[in-house]
Amino acid sequence: NAGVMQNPRHLVRRRGQEARLRCSPVKGHSHVYWYRQLPEEGLKFMVYLQKENIIDESGMPKERFSAEFPKEGPSILRIQQVVRGDSAAYFCASSRSGGSGANVLTFGAGSRLTVL
Amino acid sequence: QKEVEQNSGPLSVPEGAIASLNCTYSDRVSQSFFWYRQYSGKSPELIMSIYSNGDKEDGRFTAQLNKASQYVSLLIRDSQPSDSATYLCAVSSGTASKLTFGTGTRLQVTL
Repeated sequence: NAGVMQNPRHLVRRRGQEARLRCSPVKGHSHVYWYRQLPEEGLKFMVYLQKENIIDESGMPKERFSAEFPKEGPSILRIQQVVRGDSAAYFCASSRSGGSGANVLTFGAGSRLTVL
Repeated sequence: QKEVEQNSGPLSVPEGAIASLNCTYSDRVSQSFFWYRQYSGKSPELIMSIYSNGDKEDGRFTAQLNKASQYVSLLIRDSQPSDSATYLCAVSSGTASKLTFGTGTRLQVTL
């Protein structure tokens, strides 16, 4: 499967714990995007990364959330001290390039976080 | 005002009819426009992309773009029950690489 791989698909955490979501982009894609989808809402942009660099994090909450895309390995979205409001589906997408007009994103299956 | 607006629906059409999905956007410098289909509990999948004014056809799908009116639509001809899903309109502005999504329109194709 050459698509975007996300894991875990489902994650349950208690309030205050940490959640780590992983994303491996399509082979050959060097641009990764994280989106969050709350129930009955649209996809909200969180962060855009290129290998080892955060390009745009304008959608990331200022606290508790961080993202990385190391030179080797998957992109990771990390949520510290989770709260119930963090319960959502987190989608990762990748693209070959990031320029305007080339934003054909391929989405992964998503990671569904439930905070108890 | 939301950046990308869609009627949440549900839009109900009988099998074989044309489904018309509409989207308006607020950023005049928007350059790239996309329609994604999302089945319940699944990931969005790209249906159509359109970059210039006019119509773009792909099989049963036609995307229409009117930049002057800041309006983009998706027509689905010969609607099938398998088309029942939420359709997300997405817009990319200028040199930005991120997409801004609408909240989606839920389409129900009835037998």
